[in-house]
Amino acid sequence: DSGVTQTPKHLITATGQRVTLRCSPRSGDLSVYWYQQSLDQGLQFLIQYYNGEERAKGNILERFSAQQFPDLHSELNLSSLELGDSALYFCASSVAGGTGELFFGEGSRLTVL
Amino acid sequence: EDQVTQSPEALRLQEGESSSLNCSYTVSGLRGLFWYRQDPGKGPEFLFTLYSAGEEKEKERLKATLTKKESFLHITAPKPEDSATYLCAVQARGAGGSYIPTFGRGTSLIVHP
Repeated sequence: DSGVTQTPKHLITATGQRVTLRCSPRSGDLSVYWYQQSLDQGLQFLIQYYNGEERAKGNILERFSAQQFPDLHSELNLSSLELGDSALYFCASSVAGGTGELFFGEGSRLTVL
Repeated sequence: EDQVTQSPEALRLQEGESSSLNCSYTVSGLRGLFWYRQDPGKGPEFLFTLYSAGEEKEKERLKATLTKKESFLHITAPKPEDSATYLCAVQARGAGGSYIPTFGRGTSLIVHP
C-alpha cells in the first residue's frame, strides 16, 4: 500500500460527459502528479501541483483541469469526454516538488462509451 | 526533449534464467533515474533511484546500474512472482524549474515456472 488513495477505481460514462477523479496523497506529501496511461502511449504526465499551486503542466488537454485543495487532496476534472480519453489515470505524490521517487495510487480506470 | 527508450518491449524467461532490461535515455542535466515495477491493473511501485554514472543498487534478485547514457536492470535467477512490467523514468530540470519524471513504455516480463 503506497498510501495514495484514488477514487473511483472504475468509471464508465458516455461521450460528452464530465467526470471528476479524486486523489488523496500520502500523509506529509505536498506534491501531487497526475498521469494518464493508455496502451499505446504509456505513462504520460498531465499536471503537477505543489502545496496548492500548479507547478508544471504536461500534455494536458484544454478539456481537462485539476486543482489541489488546502487539505492537499487533488481532483482531476475531465469534460466533453471522447472515446480516446478512455485510459487509466494515476495520481502520484512526493514529499516535495523536486527530485525523488513518486508514490502512485492504484489508479482510476475510465471507460468512455 | 527528454527521451527514454526501454528494450526489449517484452521478455519471456524460464524460472532461474537471468537476464537484463535496458533503459537508454537522452536528457540534459539528469537529476535521477528511477525504476518502477507495475503489476497489471495496479499503480507503479518504486524500486530504485540512481543519481550518477557508476552507481548500483540491489534489492533481492534485482540490481540496477547506471551509465551516462543508459541503465540496466539485471534480474538474477528470476521467479514467477517477478513477472510484471518494469518502468524506467528519468528526471531532469524542465521549464519553469520543475522536475518531472519522464517514463519509458516499459518492459513486460513474464517468468515461466
